[in-house]
Amino acid sequence: SQQGEEDPQALSIQEGENATMNCSYKTSINNLQWYRQNSGRGLVHLILIRSNEREKHSGRLRVTLDTSKKSSSLLITASRAADTASYFCATDKQTGANNLFFGTGTRLTVIP
Amino acid sequence: DAGVIQSPRHEVTEMGQEVTLRCKPISGHNSLFWYRQTMMRGLELLIYFNNNVPIDDSGMPEDRFSAKMPNASFSTLKIQPSEPRDSAVYFCASSFAEDQPQHFGDGTRLSIL
Repeated sequence: SQQGEEDPQALSIQEGENATMNCSYKTSINNLQWYRQNSGRGLVHLILIRSNEREKHSGRLRVTLDTSKKSSSLLITASRAADTASYFCATDKQTGANNLFFGTGTRLTVIP
Repeated sequence: DAGVIQSPRHEVTEMGQEVTLRCKPISGHNSLFWYRQTMMRGLELLIYFNNNVPIDDSGMPEDRFSAKMPNASFSTLKIQPSEPRDSAVYFCASSFAEDQPQHFGDGTRLSIL
């Protein structure tokens, strides 16, 4: 299966701390994306990193990609209560159809 | 700037009934995706369209499920007959191109009694 696996499944931190979530996948990819889902809502795209990139930043988000280990990490710095959500990584296939395969998600709780 | 619009937001019906879920993608987006989300199986791709043509329907669980995209601004996902195990949240998403970030609607929460 192409599906990514996030680690940890759940994470609880205090406001102001950093949160790190990891994603591992199984086969070669063109790009990897991170999405956020608030309770009762659809997923929201956060950041896309291509297979030839190693690191990408967007505001308080930092994503790394290690294609040799087939893994990625999402770092949220200076977390806020509003960051409480589930976070998913999604991978495509290097060849063939370009549909995404989503991981199982990390549930992040930021305590005010 | 309207996002992806799904209707209804909630649907409760008895098993055996036909269920139709609707989606209006973002204008100008060429790819449309239908997903199903459950606690047990997570987020699963059911089918996706590119330029209104179904490209990959390998995720459609059974013949009871069908999807259409008659034009660039509308798609339906139909379940007939519905069963309790079809209960889930169904999401529609669209993107400018197949390999671009996807924009999700807020989903239809379906409960089959």
